[in-house]
Amino acid sequence: EDQVTQSPEALRLQEGESSSLNCSYTVSGLRGLFWYRQDPGKGPEFLFTLYSAGEEKEKERLKATLTKKESFLHITAPKPEDSATYLCAVQAAGANSKLTFGKGITLSVRP
Amino acid sequence: DAGVTQSPTHLIKTRGQQVTLRCSPISGHKSVSWYQQVLGQGPQFIFQYYEKEERGRGNFPDRFSARQFPNYSSELNVNALLLGDSALYLCASSLVPGSNEKLFFGSGTQLSVL
Repeated sequence: EDQVTQSPEALRLQEGESSSLNCSYTVSGLRGLFWYRQDPGKGPEFLFTLYSAGEEKEKERLKATLTKKESFLHITAPKPEDSATYLCAVQAAGANSKLTFGKGITLSVRP
Repeated sequence: DAGVTQSPTHLIKTRGQQVTLRCSPISGHKSVSWYQQVLGQGPQFIFQYYEKEERGRGNFPDRFSARQFPNYSSELNVNALLLGDSALYLCASSLVPGSNEKLFFGSGTQLSVL
């Protein structure tokens, strides 16, 4: 069974204090690893897809990396508007697009 | 272009009642998936439909059912509601299933069962 574990559960940062969010996964045949951002009461908003170990993607203050067992979301010099829950999900090879999500990491950035 | 739209946004029901949630995918998207997100947890897969046929089902009881219409919109039905069915129900659309195409999510329907 596919599994995704995210850590820590919650993270509080001062504005400008860089950090990393961890996503550990087990999956039979990784098709893709996805990072989403979710604001309270809203649906997840797509951030990145990573397909193979060694791949990296960047968007503004966010950078996602992938190994064979883990993915990291690095946040550089975060701002209060980066406060949200960050979800990691894996998609296994198969006939549908089912995503298996972790519980998410709640990030709070204080001004 | 409009994103994934879901209705209603909020719903309050009592135990034992039935509920129908609706979803319209992004124009041109033919696949719709449903997820349940309980407070403090990540979304959990319920169903995927493509071209009106079920392409995947998660570990949910038979009280949960869904269908997709010729215009690719979809409905999720839940019968005999339990307190534990209280959650945010998310609809996601994509072009085709079985690819690495990312899913686009709607804002969800918040269901409260009293």
